[in-house]
Amino acid sequence: AQSVTQLDSQVPVFEEAPVELRCNYSSSVSVYLFWYVQYPNQGLQLLLKYLSGSTLVKGINGFEAEFNKSQTSFHLRKPSVHISDTAEYFCAVSSNDYKLSFGAGTTVTVRA
Amino acid sequence: DTGVSQNPRHKITKRGQNVTFRCDPISEHNRLYWYRQTLGQGPEFLTYFQNEAQLEKSRLLSDRFSAERPKGSFSTLEIQRTEQGDSAMYLCASSLVGTGDEKLFFGSGTQLSVL
Repeated sequence: AQSVTQLDSQVPVFEEAPVELRCNYSSSVSVYLFWYVQYPNQGLQLLLKYLSGSTLVKGINGFEAEFNKSQTSFHLRKPSVHISDTAEYFCAVSSNDYKLSFGAGTTVTVRA
Repeated sequence: DTGVSQNPRHKITKRGQNVTFRCDPISEHNRLYWYRQTLGQGPEFLTYFQNEAQLEKSRLLSDRFSAERPKGSFSTLEIQRTEQGDSAMYLCASSLVGTGDEKLFFGSGTQLSVL
């Protein structure tokens, strides 16, 4: 079984500042890792995913994440946020291609 | 491609009533998934279909829950004798398996409130 811990439930940040959302996972097998974003009144949208290969993964909207196997982490970063990045962000882990285990989410609020 | 569509967006029901939700996946997607999301939590896997076959069900899916995908296209999720603990957002997702770059596309969900 896999599980995900998102270490911050709320992250307030000023516009154009950098942001990092922390995610730790536990699993006894090799995993796939994902970050999803949920804008208000919209469905979950995939930001990026790690399946194998390079540990630095680049996603949409300027986001990137780094897979760290020794620390079992998959933190999400963006060097400069916009107001439009205000949303809820979910980290997820899977040992296959369909059954995702999600974290509880991190609410990012970007202020001018 | 109109995305994954879920109906209704909101459903309010009284305890003990039956409810049914519908999900229309992206056309040609062969997999369809149901997840449930409660307030302050991430989505939890409920079940998934490969075409019309239901291949896995979570222990979260009690006997009061049943899901179908009769023709391998749209799917319905029925909850019988609803309980207040069933109040949640029910999410549907679909994917096309076999392309080497499968990813899940989620709908906006059906928000169920059981009074």
